[in-house]
Amino acid sequence: DSGVTQTPKHLITATGQRVTLRCSPRSGDLSVYWYQQSLDQGLQFLIQYYNGEERAKGNILERFSAQQFPDLHSELNLSSLELGDSALYFCASSASGTGTYEQYFGPGTRLTVT
Amino acid sequence: TQLLEQSPQFLSIQEGENLTVYCNSSSVFSSLQWYRQEPGEGPVLLVTVVTGGEVKKLKRLTFQFGDARKDSSLHITAAQPGDTGLYLCAGVSSNDYKLSFGAGTTVTVRA
Repeated sequence: DSGVTQTPKHLITATGQRVTLRCSPRSGDLSVYWYQQSLDQGLQFLIQYYNGEERAKGNILERFSAQQFPDLHSELNLSSLELGDSALYFCASSASGTGTYEQYFGPGTRLTVT
Repeated sequence: TQLLEQSPQFLSIQEGENLTVYCNSSSVFSSLQWYRQEPGEGPVLLVTVVTGGEVKKLKRLTFQFGDARKDSSLHITAAQPGDTGLYLCAGVSSNDYKLSFGAGTTVTVRA
């Protein structure tokens, strides 16, 4: 158990819909990262937050957005969903936003768009 | 194009055999990590290497960071079925301090 929690574990929704994925980092970790993993794309970095502020952006679509709240939990919002958005979405946390970036991953949310 | 290239992409071996997977880049990394991921679960951090030429051992796993900090290898001795999984390397770039993941090596150890 990494100490990172993600909800829900599974999500099935239709094209055009909007969903919110939630992540709680390990106790004491200030940084949260979001990743998308699909069979053909591997693990793709989406976005990082550090202590409530956006720190780095990766390959995140404009239809996707995220935020980190004062209690340090984070939410990833996916809107106007397309079939190609079906994937595993992972959240990871680390103690800080710099240094060796050792990350601890949650169990993931499997999103299926039908 | 992946910043970190992992090879081979797939590896299937018999229990008791040794294996090595590689992680290569043209970029210099301030640190590099190895993770193992099992199907349907999140990656689990195995090790972080920081110094060029560094060698770290974790039971039957040996990790090496290249002298120039551009490459790394993971060697497993006497592999067991429990070693089966996707092995991912991830590097922190010395230029922009961003973390990048390789595409991974899928290792299957047959009993």
